[in-house]
Amino acid sequence: KNEVEQSPQNLTAQEGEFITINCSYSVGISALHWLQQHPGGGIVSLFMLSSGKKKHGRLIATINIQEKHSSLHITASHPRDSAVYICAAGGADGLTFGKGTHLIIQP
Amino acid sequence: DVKVTQSSRYLVKRTGEKVFLECVQDMDHENMFWYRQDPGLGLRLIYFSYDVKMKEKGDIPEGYSVSREKKERFSLILESASTNQTSMYLCASSQLVRYNEQFFGPGTRLTVL
Repeated sequence: KNEVEQSPQNLTAQEGEFITINCSYSVGISALHWLQQHPGGGIVSLFMLSSGKKKHGRLIATINIQEKHSSLHITASHPRDSAVYICAAGGADGLTFGKGTHLIIQP
Repeated sequence: DVKVTQSSRYLVKRTGEKVFLECVQDMDHENMFWYRQDPGLGLRLIYFSYDVKMKEKGDIPEGYSVSREKKERFSLILESASTNQTSMYLCASSQLVRYNEQFFGPGTRLTVL
C-alpha cells in the first residue's frame, strides 16, 4: 500500500509570498493529484499529473517520478488561497491521500 | 456543470440508530466512493463501487454497508450507529480507471450521540 507524506502540516505566510507544499509517496503511481478543501468541507481537484509540470493561474504543480516526489507552488499568495491542500497518489487500488497541509495566508 | 450531491449537510443521530447517507452524481460515472475524514487522519476509504450492484471494501469497512441499485446513486448505511462513527462523510465519483480525477460531494457531518 502506498504511503503518502505531506509537508509541512501547517503553514502560515504573508500575502504575496511564494508558497511550496511537498508530497512524497512510496510506491510507483499512475497519477498524482492535488486537491483543495475550503472550510465547510467541499473538496475540488486542482491538478492531476503523471509527469512534468502543470500550471493553472497562480498554481503550479510539478512531479519527479524517479524521486517519487511532487510539489505544489502558489505564486503571489492571497488570503483566498487559505485552505487545506491534499495530495493523493493514484494507482490500481484508487487514491491514497496525504493528511493535508493547512495553509493560512495573512493580509 | 458536474455535480455530486449528498442528502444532508448535517445529521445528528442516537447510538444504535440505523443511518442512511445518500449520494447522487449526474455525470454517468462508473466509480463511486465513500470516505470518512477525521482530524489528523485524512481521507480514508470506506467502500468503493465500480458498477451497479458491485462493491469493494475499502480500508475501514467495519460497521458500514453500501448499496448501489442505480448507476447514479450510492448509499452508505450505518446498521447501528456508534459514537466512534461521528465524522465527516464524503462521497465522490470518477470515470473509468480508479486513479482518475474524483469529483466530491459537499460532505455530511454526522454526529452520533
